[in-house]
Amino acid sequence: NAGVMQNPRHLVRRRGQEARLRCSPMKGHSHVYWYRQLPEEGLKFMVYLQKENIIDESGMPKERFSAEFPKEGPSILRIQQVVRGDSAAYFCASSPERGVYGYTFGSGTRLTVV
Amino acid sequence: AQTVTQSQPEMSVQEAETVTLSCTYDTSESDYYLFWYKQPPSRQMILVIRQEAYKQQNATENRFSVNFQKAAKSFSLKISDSQLGDAAMYFCAYRKGGANSKLTFGKGITLSVRP
Repeated sequence: NAGVMQNPRHLVRRRGQEARLRCSPMKGHSHVYWYRQLPEEGLKFMVYLQKENIIDESGMPKERFSAEFPKEGPSILRIQQVVRGDSAAYFCASSPERGVYGYTFGSGTRLTVV
Repeated sequence: AQTVTQSQPEMSVQEAETVTLSCTYDTSESDYYLFWYKQPPSRQMILVIRQEAYKQQNATENRFSVNFQKAAKSFSLKISDSQLGDAAMYFCAYRKGGANSKLTFGKGITLSVRP
């Protein structure tokens, strides 16, 4: 069981470019959550997805950010026209259909915007 | 909205001694879960311990235990016999009851362990 896989582990983008962050949930998990961690801060919820559905996107910035979790393949967090303030660690977590307890996290993607 | 507060940004403990990390939360829900996560320099988020709000008994996992005071909305983590490998950031987190709801995290506390 490979756990939650995130890639890339590190991503450098120039201002104005697009960033795509990938998350493959644990085998058997159908729910994915994305969190952002700014320096010296805790994790902030961004979006919660099930396969082909966005369940809760209350933490997503209104512009430039989008997320998807297609029927096949990993979940993608997409940031268009990145700015320096987008530099952060982005974490993905997954849970099974009736996930009750804590979720399993990936190792995160550190995005640096230069 | 639920909030989680960790008011101590840093703590230090001597190896082999005991340390307590504080956390308070605010919620109007009666059914919820509380967690402590550890984040070492590798950045991996590791679940340390969890507590169901409906359980009166405090959770324990080896050297880790919690003091859950529901009326006071307090959820502290006690680490006994501290080890060098315990050095990390520790985050307190809340999730409302039922399946598949988001976690709300505190800002975290950096724990250092002195040899």
